[in-house]
Amino acid sequence: GENVEQHPSTLSVQEGDSAVIKCTYSDSASNYFPWYKQELGKRPQLIIDIRSNVGEKKDQRIAVTLNKTAKHFSLHITETQPEDSAVYFCAAGPMNTGFQKLVFGTGTRLLVSP
Amino acid sequence: GAGVSQSPRYKVAKRGQDVALRCDPISGHVSLFWYQQALGQGPEFLTYFQNEAQLDKSGLPSDRFFAERPEGSVSTLKIQRTQQEDSAVYLCASSRDRNYEQYFGPGTRLTVT
Repeated sequence: GENVEQHPSTLSVQEGDSAVIKCTYSDSASNYFPWYKQELGKRPQLIIDIRSNVGEKKDQRIAVTLNKTAKHFSLHITETQPEDSAVYFCAAGPMNTGFQKLVFGTGTRLLVSP
Repeated sequence: GAGVSQSPRYKVAKRGQDVALRCDPISGHVSLFWYQQALGQGPEFLTYFQNEAQLDKSGLPSDRFFAERPEGSVSTLKIQRTQQEDSAVYLCASSRDRNYEQYFGPGTRLTVT
């Protein structure tokens, strides 16, 4: 089955810096890669996703890149703000082949200091 | 519009008790998922419904776990004879259909004492 590894487990940056979180996956059948942000005690919130027919997707300060050959994908946050502080989870799963049985990484705790 | 809602938000059960956790998906969402999230970990898939049909229950940890969605809307996750290792946050997610984005509820934090 699918296995998703996520690094780093914690990341501390200064406000205004960029943050990069990396994930690798094992199953070449996976073709959908969402990223969720989870604040303490809150629900996971979908912030961006990418499907395997594209290599990069951007939404304002957030971007995701995908390298299908190497089976890794990354989340990039530019101009970080204190409200970006949260735990971020990557996930991988099949799309268009049944349903999204998502497998999640173990999370990255991002701390943005003012 | 209203998001996914779950109740109760917190549940404390004594070991051996049965519990029932409810999920109200976004109106019109056909697909519904249950996940278990242990402390400090990512969500882990438990089971999936397409309308009222439970199409995958491969993630349910034991036969003490049972889920249903009889009318294709509200879903209930039932855990019988709870054990300490069942303590976790149980998350529900729904999507418009099987190949669309999943939106999560706030979860039910279950503590088994």
